[in-house]
Amino acid sequence: SSELTQDPAVSVALGQTVRITCQGDSLRSYYASWYQQKPGQAPVLVIYGKNNRPSGIPDRFSGSSSGNTASLTITGAQAEDEADYYCNSRDSSGNHLFGGGTKLTVL
Amino acid sequence: EVQLVESGGGLVQPGGSLRLSCAASGFTFSSYDMHWVRQATGKGLEWVSAIGTAGDTYYPGSVKGRFTISRENAKNSLYLQMNSLRAGDTAVYYCAREHSSGSFDYWGQGTLVTVSS
Repeated sequence: SSELTQDPAVSVALGQTVRITCQGDSLRSYYASWYQQKPGQAPVLVIYGKNNRPSGIPDRFSGSSSGNTASLTITGAQAEDEADYYCNSRDSSGNHLFGGGTKLTVL
Repeated sequence: EVQLVESGGGLVQPGGSLRLSCAASGFTFSSYDMHWVRQATGKGLEWVSAIGTAGDTYYPGSVKGRFTISRENAKNSLYLQMNSLRAGDTAVYYCAREHSSGSFDYWGQGTLVTVSS
């Protein structure tokens, strides 16, 4: 089906590592991209392709994929990483999909 | 510097129409696929439409037949004509540029559309 599924909420202790996952059939054919969104702001691309970071994105953000699951890992989470995270992919019809989003809390 | 600036949002009655615009600058607009993405208050992101460099268009089922995306390369502008608006179309509408990887590498600040009587 053309859906991407994310856990609604995840928490991580300051300085620890957290993985946010995204599941969907389209991920078997297309890479996911990941976006960070803070309250009142537009989304910001943090990971695209196999595991690429746009300029200005810290290297503590990384991406991976296996089968129908894509993951965003934050190694050494910082307080400023607290945000909503969305995965995105496309399907074979040219349509784009977003996951429902994961609210990350840094404790 | 890449900039995307949306405009045209506002309050509209159910069944009404609205046209959103997105002014692009800082890149060769005609060379990129462009998209509209919306977000209802407190909800997630929803892809709304796409237009390719050749003018090919794509829509999800939720807006197909009601929304029309278009572009005017000479004016570096993207548009979204929204007809037969429903309460469920109430959201912030973002325009976004598609990177070669298929991701959205630049976003505008969004424009709010409220459908209410």
